[in-house]
Amino acid sequence: DAEITQSPRHKITETGRQVTLACHQTWNHNNMFWYRQDLGHGLRLIHYSYGVQDTNKGEVSDGYSVSRSNTEDLPLTLESAASSQTSVYFCASSPGRPQETQYFGPGTRLLVL
Amino acid sequence: KNQVEQSPQSLIILEGKNCTLQCNYTVSPFSNLRWYKQDTGRGPVSLTIMTFSENTKSNGRYTATLDADTKQSSLHITASQLSDSASYICVVLNNAGNMLTFGGGTRLMVKP
Repeated sequence: DAEITQSPRHKITETGRQVTLACHQTWNHNNMFWYRQDLGHGLRLIHYSYGVQDTNKGEVSDGYSVSRSNTEDLPLTLESAASSQTSVYFCASSPGRPQETQYFGPGTRLLVL
Repeated sequence: KNQVEQSPQSLIILEGKNCTLQCNYTVSPFSNLRWYKQDTGRGPVSLTIMTFSENTKSNGRYTATLDADTKQSSLHITASQLSDSASYICVVLNNAGNMLTFGGGTRLMVKP
């Protein structure tokens, strides 16, 4: 079955380290998204991509970067992890039209010490 | 500023009872409204998507309503089950830039 996976599921790192979170989908969806979810906030968009070689900044993109070299993957990189980036990160994908539903991965819980 | 407000923040009901969750939004221009269910430790899963012209949409025991004039939506859960315990998130898509605005969610606990 087609699916969307994230790895690792849990990660502990130290401030200042570079961290990369993986997202892989097998639906062949054009659109992929990264969100963070924190207590007291709804899901907030970090970066998104509408296709290979396309990346765009979301609402809370500072300190994060993404690259889209193929359809299936959108890795999220924290260039220099900060304690404020402790959060649960969700990857999502959707077919071509933004009006269609997004399918979410299981999430990565990141703790920055 | 685009906003989605949900109420109540949390709710406890007994198994078998009905409940209604509320969502008010100020997103403009409106494209569609979605309800997601998020189990603890998992990603959100779509329950319904409603466009401007749809007033009611059902998915099993879940029925969503939309009043585009008052910018309000509700999610009604009938004959609740223990497995309905989750967070329910209201999400609105705007037509300008195709961006989603997420509500903070309602955390529902169904007790036996």
